[in-house]
Amino acid sequence: EADIYQTPRYLVIGTGKKITLECSQTMGHDKMYWYQQDPGMELHLIHYSYGVNSTEKGDLSSESTVSRIRTEHFPLTLESARPSHTSQYLCASKRGAAPPGYGYTFGSGTRLTVV
Amino acid sequence: GEDVEQSLFLSVREGDSSVINCTYTDSSSTYLYWYKQEPGAGLQLLTYIFSNMDMKQDQRLTVLLNKKDKHLSLRIADTQTGDSAIYFCAEYNNNDMRFGAGTRLTVKP
Repeated sequence: EADIYQTPRYLVIGTGKKITLECSQTMGHDKMYWYQQDPGMELHLIHYSYGVNSTEKGDLSSESTVSRIRTEHFPLTLESARPSHTSQYLCASKRGAAPPGYGYTFGSGTRLTVV
Repeated sequence: GEDVEQSLFLSVREGDSSVINCTYTDSSSTYLYWYKQEPGAGLQLLTYIFSNMDMKQDQRLTVLLNKKDKHLSLRIADTQTGDSAIYFCAEYNNNDMRFGAGTRLTVKP
C-alpha cells in the first residue's frame, strides 16, 4: 500500500496551460523531493523541501515552482506548459531523523505529455 | 568525477546470475543503495549497505562494496523474468542522495 501519492498518474495537456502535479504523503516525513526523469531513465532533482515553508531548487534548472504549506503536501506547478516539459515526474519523501538506511519512499509518478 | 556511474543496459537469460555494477563519487558516503523501478512505477528500495561493510546478502540479492575503488555491485541469483526493470545505484552523504542513471535489466526466457 502506497504511503506517498501522486496525482494524476497520466496527463496530456496543451501548450501554455497551467498545471499542478500533486504529491501527498501520510508518513509525517519532513523531507520531500521532486525528480524529473528522462525518457532515457536518468533522474534529475528539480526541487526539495526540508519542512514546512522551506523549498529549494535542485540540481536541474526547472521552470516549475513548488510550495510546502503543510507537511504532507508538496505540489509542483508549471505556469505555462511547453513540449519540453514532457517527462515523468517523481515525488519522494524521507523522515528527517530516520537512519539513512531507510532511504527515500517514492510515489508512482506522473507522466506528463505537453502537446 | 561528480557522477554516480552505471552501465545503461544488461541482458541475461532466465536462471542465470545478473551483476549490475556502479561506481560512486564520494569516499565519505555513509550509505549506498540499490533501487528497482518497474515500468510505469516509482522507485522501490531493494537493499542498502553501510559503508563499513564489504558484503550484504538478502535472499537472491548480494551487494558487494569495494571502498578503495568506490565500486558497488548488485548480484541477483537465479534471475527471473520478473526481475526485468531499471536498477538505480545511489549514494547518501550529508543529507544528499545522488542517483546513477540506471541500468535496464532485460531477462530473456
